[in-house]
Amino acid sequence: AQSVTQLDSHVSVSEGTPVLLRCNYSSSYSPSLFWYVQHPNKGLQLLLKYTSAATLVKGINGFEAEFKKSETSFHLTKPSAHMSDAAEYFCVVSDYLGSQGNLIFGKGTKLSVKP
Amino acid sequence: DTAVSQTPKYLVTQMGNDKSIKCEQNLGHDTMYWYKQDSKKFLKIMFSYNNKELIINETVPNRFSPKSPDKAHLNLHINSLELGDSAVYFCASSQDYGRKNNEQFFGPGTRLTVL
Repeated sequence: AQSVTQLDSHVSVSEGTPVLLRCNYSSSYSPSLFWYVQHPNKGLQLLLKYTSAATLVKGINGFEAEFKKSETSFHLTKPSAHMSDAAEYFCVVSDYLGSQGNLIFGKGTKLSVKP
Repeated sequence: DTAVSQTPKYLVTQMGNDKSIKCEQNLGHDTMYWYKQDSKKFLKIMFSYNNKELIINETVPNRFSPKSPDKAHLNLHINSLELGDSAVYFCASSQDYGRKNNEQFFGPGTRLTVL
């Protein structure tokens, strides 16, 4: 069965400093991985997705993530945080061959950005 | 144009009542989903519908019943509401079901509060 583990429930950075949100996955086959963002009182928006093409994936708003099979990781990064990046971030694996055939969400990482 | 819309945005009701949440997508997608997000922000799939057929049904109480009048709509009916049903419910849609890069588009959510 597929699963994802977000290693930090809360990350706090200063504006202009790098962001690193960590995610490890477990999958018995080549996974599809996603990062979604949820701003306060809003729905979920796709940041980026990995689908076995390039291992370094670029997303919206300057975010990117690198798929590392040897480490079973899919960490999300951004070189310079902006106040508007403050939100909840979810790492997600697609259980496309499982009985559910669906998205499995991590428990989320809350990103705070200090001025 | 809103891709996935939900109504109402907020729903406050008493225990024991029956309520419905509506969802519509204008993306021409074949599959729609309902997720529940609990107070700790954890998202879990409840149902998905593909071409009017229920594909998966997580271990949710049978008080919850999805109804899809057509491909563009998936409504969620909840009978005999309980305190534990208080959560944010998200509707989502995707092009089809079971594909590896199954990107899902989410609605803005409905915050249900049961008193």
